[in-house]
Amino acid sequence: RKEVEQDPGPFNVPEGATVAFNCTYSNSASQSFFWYRQDCRKEPKLLMSVYSSGNEDGRFTAQLNRASQYISLLIRDSKLSDSATYLCVANTGGGADGLTFGKGTHLIIQP
Amino acid sequence: DTAVSQTPKYLVTQMGNDKSIKCEQNLGHDTMYWYKQDSKKFLKIMFSYNNKELIINETVPNRFSPKSPDKAHLNLHINSLELGDSAVYFCASSQVFTGHGELFFGEGSRLTVL
Repeated sequence: RKEVEQDPGPFNVPEGATVAFNCTYSNSASQSFFWYRQDCRKEPKLLMSVYSSGNEDGRFTAQLNRASQYISLLIRDSKLSDSATYLCVANTGGGADGLTFGKGTHLIIQP
Repeated sequence: DTAVSQTPKYLVTQMGNDKSIKCEQNLGHDTMYWYKQDSKKFLKIMFSYNNKELIINETVPNRFSPKSPDKAHLNLHINSLELGDSAVYFCASSQVFTGHGELFFGEGSRLTVL
C-alpha cells in the first residue's frame, strides 16, 4: 500500500471555479503535512503547510482530517496560473527521511 | 540569486558511462538532499547530508555516491549508468532536518541514458 496517495487527474476546471482534491496517508503516526506545487518541467515549490486546525492563504485552504487520514486542498476562484501539479507530502517518520511525496494531482484551469 | 543551483540541467549519455551532477545552495542551510523523479513523476528521496554527514541513504544502488565538499555543496556521482537511471534528479536543501521545514529545490537535472 502506497504511503501517500493522490488522484493523478487531470482535473479540468473552468477559470473562476472552485476545485478541491484530497490526499490520503497510510501512517497514522504522521505529524506534519504539506502541499507543494510543481509546474511542468520545473521544480516543486512549497505551497503551504497543513496544520491540525486547518489553514488558509488567500484563495487556498488546506485541511487535515486525522480520523480519516486525509489532507485536502481547496482552491477558490481558480486562475489560469493555478494550472500545475499539486504534490501532497506527509512526514511519516521522525526526520526528513520520513518525508513522503504523493505522485501529484494534475490540475488544468481552462479559460 | 538562485538559492539552489544544480548543473548540468540536461545530460544525455551512453550506458556504462560515469557522470556527475553538481549542486550548490546559498541559503546557509544545514541539510541538503538528492531526489529522483522518474517518468511516472514519483519523487523519491535518495540521500541527505546534514552538516557534511550522510544521515540517510535510501536503498539506491551503490553506483550512486553523494559527495559533499562543504555544507553548501552536495554533488551526485553515478557510475556505470543504466537505462533505468534516466530521470530528473533534484537537489534540495532545508534549514532543519526534522521534516518540518520547507524544502528548497533546484531546477532539476534531466538525465537521459541511451
